[in-house]
Amino acid sequence: QVQLVQSGSELKKPGASVKVSCKASGYTFTNYAMNWVRQAPGQGLEWMGWINTNTGNPTYAQGFTGRFVFSLDTSVSTAYLLISSLKADDTAVYYCARDIPFDTWGQGTLVTVSS
Amino acid sequence: DIVMTQSPDSLAVSLGERATINCKSSQSVLYTSNNKNYLAWYQQKPGQPPKLLISWASTRESGVPDRFSGSGSGTDFTLTISSLQAEDVAVYYCQQYYSNPYTFGPGTKVDIK
Repeated sequence: QVQLVQSGSELKKPGASVKVSCKASGYTFTNYAMNWVRQAPGQGLEWMGWINTNTGNPTYAQGFTGRFVFSLDTSVSTAYLLISSLKADDTAVYYCARDIPFDTWGQGTLVTVSS
Repeated sequence: DIVMTQSPDSLAVSLGERATINCKSSQSVLYTSNNKNYLAWYQQKPGQPPKLLISWASTRESGVPDRFSGSGSGTDFTLTISSLQAEDVAVYYCQQYYSNPYTFGPGTKVDIK
């Protein structure tokens, strides 16, 4: 079955970096876009952008440029989200989600930024 | 950017009764060349990722119970749960995928009365 499995929770200090992985299975990875969505504690869903899994070309939503980088390793059907220079308000659950509209979601990765 | 709004913020409905959630977009999400509304509905239960319920404003995803239905066109949309079940307690989000950025509504929390 189609599945996205994300890496585990992370606790980081302000200024550090974190890399979240999203491993796909059950379908041809390069046939579908991969999106990233942020959900701050107790808040709604915020689309961060998407990456074309065929070309590797990323598109970032406003507010997610500069410190956020989407990347791929197609040899292992995995998408990555790198967040650098972490701030306290980056604390959130980060989801990967396949295709548009988002028909399959990862289980989410909680990133906590705290000194 | 297209701004999505939802009403109400929350509602409580008795088991077996109808729940209705409204979603409005700041501009039309109807693509006239194919007559499709680029509007989706998601359900998010506590501690879980969202789940796609309905795409193209009214097309139920495989496995979604038929008590869930979507309607509307252009800028005004509705998600209806015809007979609320206990397992339907969740937050429901609408999303437009007509144009980048693919914005979500703020969510509507559905509880049992």
